[in-house]
Parts: sequence; C-alpha cells; structure tokens
Amino acid sequence: SYELTQPPSVSVSPGQTASITCSGDKLGDKFACWYQQKPGQSPVLVIFQDNKRPSGIPERFSGSNSGNTATLTISGTQAMDEADYYCQAWDSSTAKGVLFGGGTKLTVL
Amino acid sequence: QVTLKESGPVLVKPTETLTLTCTVSGFSYSNARVGVSWIRQPPGKALEWLAHIFSNDEKSYSTSLKSRLTISQDTSRSHVVLTMTNMDPVDTATYYCARITGSGWSFYFDYWGQGTLVTVSS
Repeated sequence: SYELTQPPSVSVSPGQTASITCSGDKLGDKFACWYQQKPGQSPVLVIFQDNKRPSGIPERFSGSNSGNTATLTISGTQAMDEADYYCQAWDSSTAKGVLFGGGTKLTVL
Repeated sequence: QVTLKESGPVLVKPTETLTLTCTVSGFSYSNARVGVSWIRQPPGKALEWLAHIFSNDEKSYSTSLKSRLTISQDTSRSHVVLTMTNMDPVDTATYYCARITGSGWSFYFDYWGQGTLVTVSS
C-alpha cells in the first residue's frame, strides 16, 4: 500500500527557515497539500496543490513537490508556527482514497 | 461562512455501533467536486482518513476500515452521517468532519469541524 513518510520532528531557530519533508513513491506525480495543527485545535490547510496558499495563510509558507518528495518550507519561522504538520495526497490508485503522512512536530527553539 | 459541526456519543461500548453526524452550512453542495469527509485522530497520533461523500453521492472508504464504515447524506445535503460498526478501544479518537474540495487528482480539506472525542470503553 502507498505510504507518506515524514520525519517525526524538526527544530528551527526563530527567524530561520524550516523545511519539512514528505516522501512517497513518485509523490511528484500526485498533488500534495499540508496542514498545520496546534495543540487542542483542528487542522488548518496551509498549502494545497503542491504550492498554493489558501487565503489568510502568510506568505512565509510555501511548498514544492518533485520526484519522491514534497517539501513544506517556512521562511522567517515565528514562535506561532510551532505545531504539528501533516502532508496529504490523493491516491488515485486505491479507489480514490486519501493519504496522510505521519506528521512532523515543528519546534521553534 | 462555512461551518461543519460533529455530533454524536462521547462514550460507546466495545462491539457497539458508532453513529456520528456532521451538520454543514455556508457552502454550496451542488458542486460535484465538493463533499464531506470523516477523519479521525487517536490521542497523540496522526490523522487518519475514514471516508468521504460528494454531492453526487459518490462515496469512498478507507481500505482498512471499509467493512465497518457507512457514509450517507440527507437530501438537503445539510447532514452527513458516518456509522462505524463493532467499535473497539483502539477506535478511541477525535473524529473530525471536513469539507473536501478540489479537481482532477487534487483534493484537499479546506474547512474542518471542531472535532468530537469518542471513547470506547466498557
């Protein structure tokens, strides 16, 4: 079965750039999106269709997807960006199912 | 304003059937590529997609849970119901409903409910 793999944790200093990866076989052939989830809250969509930002999401959030890896990049990371991040893709091979990665805890030190 | 809200029991016993309702408002459900999904998250763990239904009644289920799940919607498209049979303590989780939208091979969840915690225990 198809899987999306994320690192369990990523650390970044305030003001620096954070990169969170999501790996899957030929993931670049699919569209990836990303969600931010803070403790006790529902997930929030921050990137869709690989690199598009929904209205209201700061420009410091960006995305890319190529080969086997999708990447969420947060430029000028702020303390408020500390959260869990999940990647998601649409798997056309499994009866139109949805796949989530295992999540990455972003710590802003 | 798009809103989704989950409702259902907070506690179910092992082997019982769980029935959750998602009440939606504020968006046009007539678009065939707009629908509602159910997603769950065990405490401290990752998100897990369960099922979705589009306005044209197209449905899809998680392969691993398909035999236990049923998703349906009322004719007004205001309520989406998920049933999960034979509940087990490992099914303890926060259950979310979310709007699914997109096109082609790109679908994503742009609005989420607040979630409802369901505990399975005797």
